[in-house]
Amino acid sequence: DGGITQSPKYLFRKEGQNVTLSCEQNLNHDAMYWYRQDPGQGLRLIYYSQIVNDFQKGDIAEGYSVSREKKESFPLTVTSAQKNPTAFYLCASSSEWGGETQYFGPGTRLLVL
Amino acid sequence: GQNIDQPTEMTATEGAIVQINCTYQTSGFNGLFWYQQHAGEAPTFLSYNVLDGLEEKGRFSSFLSRSKGYSYLLLKELQMKDSASYLCAVRDSNDYKLSFGAGTTVTVRA
Repeated sequence: DGGITQSPKYLFRKEGQNVTLSCEQNLNHDAMYWYRQDPGQGLRLIYYSQIVNDFQKGDIAEGYSVSREKKESFPLTVTSAQKNPTAFYLCASSSEWGGETQYFGPGTRLLVL
Repeated sequence: GQNIDQPTEMTATEGAIVQINCTYQTSGFNGLFWYQQHAGEAPTFLSYNVLDGLEEKGRFSSFLSRSKGYSYLLLKELQMKDSASYLCAVRDSNDYKLSFGAGTTVTVRA
């Protein structure tokens, strides 16, 4: 089955720790995205990648980093500089940038210990 | 940028109809999307409107008026499984990014 997978489902972060959230897709999509979802707010774009080996900052990139070394993978690192990391993180992909519907992975819930 | 408004909560009875409104203000419009999201799960795509009018998909329909900056999602013959959050999202024609409303939580009661 084609789709988007995210792991882990739950992740706990200690103060001062960097953590990495995994996102993999086997849909052969060029574009991938990371969003953050907080209660009572809409999804906010953290980073996006239009094509492999390229990525751009979204609206709330501070305290986060990404890489796009392979077409199917777009990991997100939440660094210690992100002071309020507790949220539900959603990865999405689309067949191409701007022209198609975005499809979402199951999400990772990040909690701070 | 975009400013997207939708009601926070709505409650309806099983078998009834519910209409979720979404209004937006945008510097450039390139389509409006509706997603369904059950608690703790991924949003799933429901509909896409780029031209004015009504798009129907089974029990769900979506309407768009670009001149009014307005859309609605109509859910007919409500079922208990329709209890979820419904997200309105607008794509910007300048950068093709999606901006999301905060979502409308629909509760279906027996």
